[in-house]
Amino acid sequence: GAVVSQHPSRVICKSGTSVKIECRSLDFQATTMFWYRQFPKQSLMLMATSNEGSKATYEQGVEKDKFLINHASLTLSTLTVTSAHPEDSSFYICSARDSRRVSSYNEQFFGPGTRLTVL
Amino acid sequence: SQQGEEDPQALSIQEGENATMNCSYKTSINNLQWYRQNSGRGLVHLILIRSNEREKHSGRLRVTLDTSKKSSSLLITASRAADTASYFCATVGGYGNKLVFGAGTILRVKS
Repeated sequence: GAVVSQHPSRVICKSGTSVKIECRSLDFQATTMFWYRQFPKQSLMLMATSNEGSKATYEQGVEKDKFLINHASLTLSTLTVTSAHPEDSSFYICSARDSRRVSSYNEQFFGPGTRLTVL
Repeated sequence: SQQGEEDPQALSIQEGENATMNCSYKTSINNLQWYRQNSGRGLVHLILIRSNEREKHSGRLRVTLDTSKKSSSLLITASRAADTASYFCATVGGYGNKLVFGAGTILRVKS
């Protein structure tokens, strides 16, 4: 149980285009999902917290108009990188909390990540 | 912003040896978690230790937590080549919602 998928796993796009990444909780409902960014050989940086049915909460320094987040259902959150540039190339990872297990321990289940390369 | 540091940044050992990784953090926490990440993959949750716990075991893993020093250690005993990965600690604060990750330790186990 507690499987999170991401699609696509890899994407290469041209500069100026927009790319959508999907994060799905496959066997549980997730009112809260998280989006992280990871540069090579570095740690995960939280970009935003995605809440089902409401606006995402972005971390300081993350442009909300650049990284659009939509959490339209209890099992799906999407991250759209708009007008992508080479500096947006990175590994994007999502995670989800099981709505039935709300606790202060903040157990998150991680997706396998999406490698974005912007040419 | 990142919570703290992990050391060593990289560790190379022989199969069968023990590997110890350390994590320090800066603010008070509700719990601390350790994750493993194989190259280019997502994260796998290893173990969670609560702020009122001092030590926890899971199979070949042993985690300690010293809240007075704001530090934790992860010990992997009898390491295997398959343990080769990056290991991250992550903390959850008192009003726990976000995970704040440390810088990570790259572990290489040579067979």
